[in-house]
Amino acid sequence: DIQMTQSPSSLSASVGDRVTITCRASQDIANYLSWYQQKPGKAPKVLIYDSSTLEGGVPSRFSGSGSGTEFTLTITSLRPEDVATYHCQQYDDLPFTFGPGTKVDIK
Amino acid sequence: EVHLVESGGGLEKPGGSLRVSCAASGFTFENAWMIWFRQAPGKGLEWVGRIRSKVEGGTTDYAAPVRGRFTISREDSKSTLYLQMNSLKIEDTAVYFCSTGSPMGTFGDYWGPGTLVTVSS
Repeated sequence: DIQMTQSPSSLSASVGDRVTITCRASQDIANYLSWYQQKPGKAPKVLIYDSSTLEGGVPSRFSGSGSGTEFTLTITSLRPEDVATYHCQQYDDLPFTFGPGTKVDIK
Repeated sequence: EVHLVESGGGLEKPGGSLRVSCAASGFTFENAWMIWFRQAPGKGLEWVGRIRSKVEGGTTDYAAPVRGRFTISREDSKSTLYLQMNSLKIEDTAVYFCSTGSPMGTFGDYWGPGTLVTVSS
């Protein structure tokens, strides 16, 4: 199975800060990566797929990049409503696997 | 608007069985690949499995921890997805989410709110 890691596991940032989360795959997954935002008690919501394609309706302050084994999710200007856990998922090979998540809160 | 609602969760003993359902609306269900995910309390997300549309064979793929115990099926006439869970283990305790929307059921584009399955003696 492809192992996914994320760093950091949690972060605290100020409103307006630029936030970057890294996701690494244990083998080359090309650009077959999605990012989700999950708020407590809610289902995840897809933000980005195919590494860098923004899902419709997602604010443009979210962006994704990377290919192969290293990927990043960037929030260019953190807002209070961005407090959530962010998950990456690879879909290059079965079983599709997730990173452990990165919890983002406001300082 | 795509709408997914899971039901059928509850408390079951180890070794027991449970079937959860996912009622779908707002899209052409029979053409959709459908996915089940789960999330154990306080833990990360886990892909459980997927089912292809009937026209693409209706076949299934499963994660190793559930293969041979869980069965995904669909009833297109009712726009409903099922997850039959047998030989339940304590580690199957989780919120189970159904999802759809991506090509070939790769990522979760639309999600239901989830249903909690608790396995405990």
